[in-house]
Amino acid sequence: GAVVSQHPSRVICKSGTSVKIECRSLDFQATTMFWYRQFPKKSLMLMATSNEGSKATYEQGVEKDKFLINHASLTLSTLTVTSAHPEDSSFYICSASRYGYEQYFGPGTRLTVT
Amino acid sequence: SQQGEEDPQALSIQEGENATMNCSYKTSINNLQWYRQNSGRGLVHLILIRSNEREKHSGRLRVTLDTSKKSSSLLITASRAADTASYFCATPRGPNEKLTFGTGTRLTIIP
Repeated sequence: GAVVSQHPSRVICKSGTSVKIECRSLDFQATTMFWYRQFPKKSLMLMATSNEGSKATYEQGVEKDKFLINHASLTLSTLTVTSAHPEDSSFYICSASRYGYEQYFGPGTRLTVT
Repeated sequence: SQQGEEDPQALSIQEGENATMNCSYKTSINNLQWYRQNSGRGLVHLILIRSNEREKHSGRLRVTLDTSKKSSSLLITASRAADTASYFCATPRGPNEKLTFGTGTRLTIIP
């Protein structure tokens, strides 16, 4: 199956700093990438949908200026959490799809803001 | 209201037994998908069932779909310790087929 990677897998940062998370589709070109957030023992909540070369579409309640998404190429999307605060601590998961219904998920990034 | 609610929220069974998880959804769908997530990891796609299908098999997995009741079930037969994970149903919606996930079932297989 298709492989999606995320980097870093874990990151700890201080409150007020920004953190960038990368999502890469390793063996296919992803027309669409999705970013999810997951709290402990909870389900995934879609944050935004990004298509290569266009602005991301954010879900209701997700702050665009706080969670910056860049989908610069068909194999790379980045999520930047700006001015992070402890409440932003979470598990962030990306997925990638190519024209079809199936999404391929990355392994996730655990963000801890101290 | 939440699209995709699963029950039970947690399930513990002995190794070798069958595990059944249920998912209900609220809007019309063209397909429903099941995913597995090991603790602290990403999601693995298990199976997709289309709205015109009633049952689908993949190895030890059996999925049913009842569109009249807006529900689906995932049956894992002859469970193994490695099946311990959280299981989510998901339905695609809108352009780009973005997924809405259910609340998930945490399955624990006791050796």
